[in-house]
Amino acid sequence: DGGITQSPKYLFRKEGQNVTLSCEQNLNHDAMYWYRQDPGQGLRLIYYSQIVNDFQKGDIAEGYSVSREKKESFPLTVTSAQKNPTAFYLCASSITQGLYGYTFGSGTRLTVV
Amino acid sequence: KQEVTQIPAALSVPEGENLVLNCSFTDSAIYNLQWFRQDPGKGLTSLLLIQSSQREQTSGRLNASLDKSSGRSTLYIAASQPGDSATYLCAVGGAGSYQLTFGKGTKLSVIP
Repeated sequence: DGGITQSPKYLFRKEGQNVTLSCEQNLNHDAMYWYRQDPGQGLRLIYYSQIVNDFQKGDIAEGYSVSREKKESFPLTVTSAQKNPTAFYLCASSITQGLYGYTFGSGTRLTVV
Repeated sequence: KQEVTQIPAALSVPEGENLVLNCSFTDSAIYNLQWFRQDPGKGLTSLLLIQSSQREQTSGRLNASLDKSSGRSTLYIAASQPGDSATYLCAVGGAGSYQLTFGKGTKLSVIP
C-alpha cells in the first residue's frame, strides 16, 4: 500500500543533543513537508521541499534542519538550538502544490528528558 | 496572512444525531480545502478534499461544503456514531502556495 512512514513513533532527546526524525513516502509525490503540532495550537509548517535537493523554510524553521537527497525521503533534524522541541511532528506529501490534497504520516512524538 | 478558525472547539452529541462542524478562513484566494480526522496520538486521515471550483463533496455519511466568497466551509456528519469521536481539522491550501493553513480543530465526542 502506498503511504508515508515516519519513524520512530516515540523519541527521547537529552539536552544538547541533535536528533533526526525519518520520513519516507512511496506515493511518488514531488513535495514533502514537516509540521509541528502542539496542544491547543494548529499545525505549523517547519520546512517543505518541492523537488529533490531543494527546500524552503516554513513559519517556524529556527532550530531545525532538513535534507532532500531522494524523492522518497525527507528527514528532519531537531538541533540543540531548538529550545522547546517537545511536540508531535507530522510529515506530509503531495503532488505539486497539493492539487489532489495532502497525505500525512502517523507522526513522531519527541520528548526532551 | 491566511487565518483559519474552527467553531466550536469541542462538541458533545448523543449517538444518532446529525451535526455540523464549521470552518472559516480570511483569504478567499484558496486552491482547495481539506478536512482531516485525527485520533489521539495519531496522524491525520484525509476525509474530504474540495477544490476551489467545487461547492461540495460527499463520502458516505460525510458531506463538506465550500463557500469561497464568504470564506466558509462546513462538514456535515449524518447519523453520528461513537466511532466518529475524534478531532476534526480543516486545512486551506493557498493559491500559488505550497503551504497548508490549519485551524485548531473541533474535538467531537459522540456519546453512546
